[in-house]
Amino acid sequence: EAGVTQFPSHSVIEKGQTVTLRCDPISGHDNLYWYRRVMGKEIKFLLHFVKESKQDESGMPNNRFLAERTGGTYSTLKVQPAELEDSGVYFCASSQPRTGGKADTQYFGPGTRLTVL
Amino acid sequence: AQRVTQPEKLLSVFKGAPVELKCNYSYSGSPELFWYVQYSRQRLQLLLRHISRESIKGFTADLNKGETSFHLKKPFAQEEDSAMYYCALSRLTGGGNKLTFGTGTQLKVEL
Repeated sequence: EAGVTQFPSHSVIEKGQTVTLRCDPISGHDNLYWYRRVMGKEIKFLLHFVKESKQDESGMPNNRFLAERTGGTYSTLKVQPAELEDSGVYFCASSQPRTGGKADTQYFGPGTRLTVL
Repeated sequence: AQRVTQPEKLLSVFKGAPVELKCNYSYSGSPELFWYVQYSRQRLQLLLRHISRESIKGFTADLNKGETSFHLKKPFAQEEDSAMYYCALSRLTGGGNKLTFGTGTQLKVEL
């Protein structure tokens, strides 16, 4: 079974440019999450999709970030315009729906390392 | 607000020595806690969750609500245990759960 995939693995852009990150979850996983780790800090939650619907986007830093999941399959995270502080590693995770009141097990992608110069 | 604290950035032990990676949390509800591990050049993966009460790769972790801790332990460290370890707390959100991570502890097992 293929795991969560993310593209690109690395991206280097200049301040003010636009970058789009892509995540392909494990097939059949309705839940899709985006997280980010900024240098020296902890991994932080950005948002959560259930199929194509945004369930929680409380972690999105500001309106320069836009996430979509058209058709409930892959997801994109666009940063426009990028700022220096957006540099970090962006992780995607997917999971099956929660059952029995227990938290779902999230499977992580390898991450996209974004560098904004 | 929930918070996860891992006080050690780096923990270095000798092979065969006991390991304890510390994790403390603050959360007003009933917590569900996890340990994730990231080996070199690999992706973040779930090691264990407190609700399962199981031992994975010789590691165990007990939730202590009185001390709000979820320390990860292994009696005898192996070289292949060298990795980055993250403690995480789950908060339920719309059919899923969002994770709050600690800053991670790099475990280095020396020969």
